[in-house]
Amino acid sequence: SYELTQPPSVSVSPGQTASITCSGDRLGNKYASWYQQKPGQAPVLVIYQDTKRPSGIPERFSGSNSGNTATLTISGTQAMDEADYYCQAWDSGTYVFGTGTKVTVL
Amino acid sequence: QVQLVESGGGVVQPGRSLRLSCAASGFTFSSYGMHWVRQAPGKGLEWVALISYDGSNKYYADSVKGRFTISRDTSKNTLFLQMNSLRPEDTAVYYCAKAPGIAVTDSYFDYWGQGTLVTVSS
Repeated sequence: SYELTQPPSVSVSPGQTASITCSGDRLGNKYASWYQQKPGQAPVLVIYQDTKRPSGIPERFSGSNSGNTATLTISGTQAMDEADYYCQAWDSGTYVFGTGTKVTVL
Repeated sequence: QVQLVESGGGVVQPGRSLRLSCAASGFTFSSYGMHWVRQAPGKGLEWVALISYDGSNKYYADSVKGRFTISRDTSKNTLFLQMNSLRPEDTAVYYCAKAPGIAVTDSYFDYWGQGTLVTVSS
């Protein structure tokens, strides 16, 4: 079965850039999406189709996808961005989520 | 605005059944694919099932295939998940989520409900 691997945790200082990677076999040939989930809340879509932002998502969130790795970048990270982040892709009739990354804003 | 409200969760014994519902509003329900996604306590997200906009196509995760059935009632703008032969490992918060369009493959989830907790325990 297809797997998407993320680092368990990423730490970032306020105002700095956080990069979260998502690795999967030939992931660059698929669309990657990203979700933000704060404690006790439902996930929220922050990036879809590799690079697109839904309305209402701040411009500091951006995405890329090439080769075996998709990346979510948070520029000028704010305290409110502290959350779990999950990547997601579709493979062979199945939706797959990444293992998740906890972003801590120190 | 899009609203998805799940209900039907609770505590159930292993081997028993439970049916979850998701009431949809704020969009034309009959024009969009719908999903169920679950999250075990303290764990990550796991996709469970999807149904096409017209109910003609359904897909399931291997972990629930043959035990769970996804369906929809367009007249009531409601999505369902019938869960049979429940196991302790099915314990999770179950979210319904909306697809962005008619296509249900190679897509994503643009809106999520708040979830309903299912606990399978004797």
